[in-house]
Amino acid sequence: EPEVTQTPSHQVTQMGQEVILRCVPISNHLYFYWYRQILGQKVEFLVSFYNNEISEKSEIFDDQFSVERPDGSNFTLKIRSTKLEDSAMYFCASMQGTTGELFFGEGSRLTVL
Amino acid sequence: AQSVAQPEDQVNVAEGNPLTVKCTYSVSGNPYLFWYVQYPNRGLQFLLKYITGDNLVKGSYGFEAEFNKSQTSFHLKKPSALVSDSALYFCAVRDPQGTGGFKTIFGAGTRLFVKA
Repeated sequence: EPEVTQTPSHQVTQMGQEVILRCVPISNHLYFYWYRQILGQKVEFLVSFYNNEISEKSEIFDDQFSVERPDGSNFTLKIRSTKLEDSAMYFCASMQGTTGELFFGEGSRLTVL
Repeated sequence: AQSVAQPEDQVNVAEGNPLTVKCTYSVSGNPYLFWYVQYPNRGLQFLLKYITGDNLVKGSYGFEAEFNKSQTSFHLKKPSALVSDSALYFCAVRDPQGTGGFKTIFGAGTRLFVKA
């Protein structure tokens, strides 16, 4: 069964460093998302991406965050200058159509020291 | 703007007993509603969805949910709980009248404990 894959599974970084989290969505999906979850609690929407551009972003997704789909398969989340409060599990998800369910990756755990 | 409420942080049930995990939503139009389950250190897995049609929807692992428009609820149910059902459950809503991103918003989650 097709799946969403995310790398790395865990990344530890120093405050102020740049981090790139990578995702390979399911190949025929059209809608792409990043969510984050802090300490196994609420799953928070960060950004949606469709037709090679951001379609919506949350208040969390400030100027330190960016997303790209550089080659038609990978979907990346970049945090330019990490802060302690960026420590979380980041989930990538993709969706085939507007009535479909989200398919989630296994997540990338980011620890900022 | 859409929102989801899961009023219970935790639900405890004995194995073999029926379980209910509650969810209410707020959305401007007709909602798309979802339930997901998360096991420790894993991503979210889809259980079931309501888009249109029959108010009672059936999903994976014997779970079902009933869409109640008048009460704006979408409670998750299972007739007979298993210990292996113990996990974190998320209700989610999508507003099809919303922006082009068709974002899905999740509730705070309800932790289900099934005791043997």
